[in-house]
Amino acid sequence: TQLLEQSPQFLSIQEGENLTVYCNSSSVFSSLQWYRQEPGEGPVLLVTVVTGGEVKKLKRLTFQFGDARKDSSLHITAAQPGDTGLYLCAGRIQGAQKLVFGQGTRLTINP
Amino acid sequence: EAQVTQNPRYLITVTGKKLTVTCSQNMNHEYMSWYRQDPGLGLRQIYYSMNVEVTDKGDVPEGYKVSRKEKRNFPLILESPSPNQTSLYFCASRGTAYNEQFFGPGTRLTVL
Repeated sequence: TQLLEQSPQFLSIQEGENLTVYCNSSSVFSSLQWYRQEPGEGPVLLVTVVTGGEVKKLKRLTFQFGDARKDSSLHITAAQPGDTGLYLCAGRIQGAQKLVFGQGTRLTINP
Repeated sequence: EAQVTQNPRYLITVTGKKLTVTCSQNMNHEYMSWYRQDPGLGLRQIYYSMNVEVTDKGDVPEGYKVSRKEKRNFPLILESPSPNQTSLYFCASRGTAYNEQFFGPGTRLTVL
């Protein structure tokens, strides 16, 4: 059983479209991170959200932490081919040190 | 440049032949981890270390060993590799609880 469920697992859309990736759990997290991973490389941190309801923007990417700190979303506006990659959410359960990762969303943006 | 290095990047071996994957970080981070990444399963933690000489099991520790004799190094040891350990392995390090976790470039291991 996956503690953090990401959906969709695969997404292929055309350049210029908008998309949202979801990360859901029944557990409460003290913080949640989103990473992006490209082929042949390790994941790279995009953002950390800590407060319930928090919204952070990184250019065309908008990240939101759920009010109850059990879920998060990543929204990309006007997707570009350079956004192609594997997106991973990772949460730190309250009182614990380790990060728990979702299965990942493999995103392909077609020109 | 702040980085986590892993060696080797690619390794093909046979069942039962002991191997070590090295990991080193130059950021003076206390917390280091090993993960394996398999399709559909995401990243699963194998072992972690909160400081020198302090290591603990993650979610999938069976068949693996680690050591943390120095702060910068955290090698992963497979005493008797089996085909189900074929995977992509990542070492990672971070400073405090909310700090960015830095990942190494990965080691692709195939056990025949």
